[in-house]
Amino acid sequence: GQQLNQSPQSMFIQEGEDVSMNCTSSSIFNTWLWYKQDPGEGPVLLIALYKAGELTSNGRLTAQFGITRKDSFLNISASIPSDVGIYFCAGHHNFNKFYFGSGTKLNVKP
Amino acid sequence: KAGVTQTPRYLIKTRGQQVTLSCSPISGHRSVSWYQQTPGQGLQFLFEYFSETQRNKGNFPGRFSGRQFSNSRSEMNVSTLELGDSALYLCASSLGERGGQGEQFFGPGTRLTVL
Repeated sequence: GQQLNQSPQSMFIQEGEDVSMNCTSSSIFNTWLWYKQDPGEGPVLLIALYKAGELTSNGRLTAQFGITRKDSFLNISASIPSDVGIYFCAGHHNFNKFYFGSGTKLNVKP
Repeated sequence: KAGVTQTPRYLIKTRGQQVTLSCSPISGHRSVSWYQQTPGQGLQFLFEYFSETQRNKGNFPGRFSGRQFSNSRSEMNVSTLELGDSALYLCASSLGERGGQGEQFFGPGTRLTVL
């Protein structure tokens, strides 16, 4: 099935640094979602975006729905060790099928 | 509200056996989707059920099947297990209305190991 292009694949950063990751698609989506997954667990929904251009924050996390509706980015400010995990983007359109990026693996060095 | 629950959490089977996994969605959610997650392949969509009907299907062989009950609970079945079926199987629920805002919530997953 269709996959979203998510980058970077992995990141190694120092505690306290800001992080940015993004997803692009050839298709338009009505909703963009960002998830975080810890090892052996299911992904947890972090932020949901519903409108082109929308900018939404959840604590240190900020995500934006691209104007073209074909992309989205997630920023994490002042990273901490518990931010470690795999972050997934997902796009959704009217037919209730969700398309997922391949994930960004975040490593935070204390 | 209680979240998405999946049972069992861990399962060990041998090649050739079959397995059934269960998922209870969030109360009020009518759509249940199943995904297979392996380290090298990410999240692979298996199928989606809405109101007891399969509405979307991924590219998996016929050994993978599912169903949904009137209370929206869903089961997934894999027959004639192969070593490559070892994976984390994730269930996700959503309201499911077409044209609606899409938010999908995942369960903790069932870790299947095929020996």
